[in-house]
Amino acid sequence: EAQVTQNPRYLITVTGKKLTVTCSQNMNHEYMSWYRQDPGLGLRQIYYSMNVEVTDKGDVPEGYKVSRKEKRNFPLILESPSPNQTSLYFCASSLSAGGQTEAFFGQGTRLTVV
Amino acid sequence: SQQGEEDPQALSIQEGENATMNCSYKTSINNLQWYRQNSGRGLVHLILIRSNEREKHSGRLRVTLDTSKKSSSLLITASRAADTASYFCATDADTGGFKTIFGAGTRLFVKA
Repeated sequence: EAQVTQNPRYLITVTGKKLTVTCSQNMNHEYMSWYRQDPGLGLRQIYYSMNVEVTDKGDVPEGYKVSRKEKRNFPLILESPSPNQTSLYFCASSLSAGGQTEAFFGQGTRLTVV
Repeated sequence: SQQGEEDPQALSIQEGENATMNCSYKTSINNLQWYRQNSGRGLVHLILIRSNEREKHSGRLRVTLDTSKKSSSLLITASRAADTASYFCATDADTGGFKTIFGAGTRLFVKA
């Protein structure tokens, strides 16, 4: 089954404690993205990756890091989380660059930073 | 920056009625997509329309695109309670980059 898998689904952490949210897709997609969703703001793109070792900033990259060492995985790293990073996070993948083909989304990770 | 802005923010209709949602965007685009999200879950792709297309249909969905007005509309005909969800438009920004930009969404509630 074609899918994008994020882990964990829920996470509560403390300010400053590094964390990683994993994302994996099994569709051999080249383009992967991370978004955060906040009430009234829709989805905002954090980072995206065109292919292995190729990443670029989205609209809200501050406080986040990503890596793309393998085509299927695109982890999101918060080196020093802060309460304003409390949000619902989505990973997505698509065959080609943003907006050109349908994107498949993971089920989301609800992060709370206290 | 918000590229797509949906209108209305929320819409409540009776089952069987049609629902129309609008999306406006700021810069020129190559493609525009509509997605659906059920209550905090992952988004599901509904339809993609390219900048050289004016209208597209998929089942009970009809999407129009007016590039001169930088706007798109999503029409859901004969709505069902199961259509209750949030609907988002998403665009690529034709500025040489590869970002995908989503609007804030329209929350649709269909009463049985």
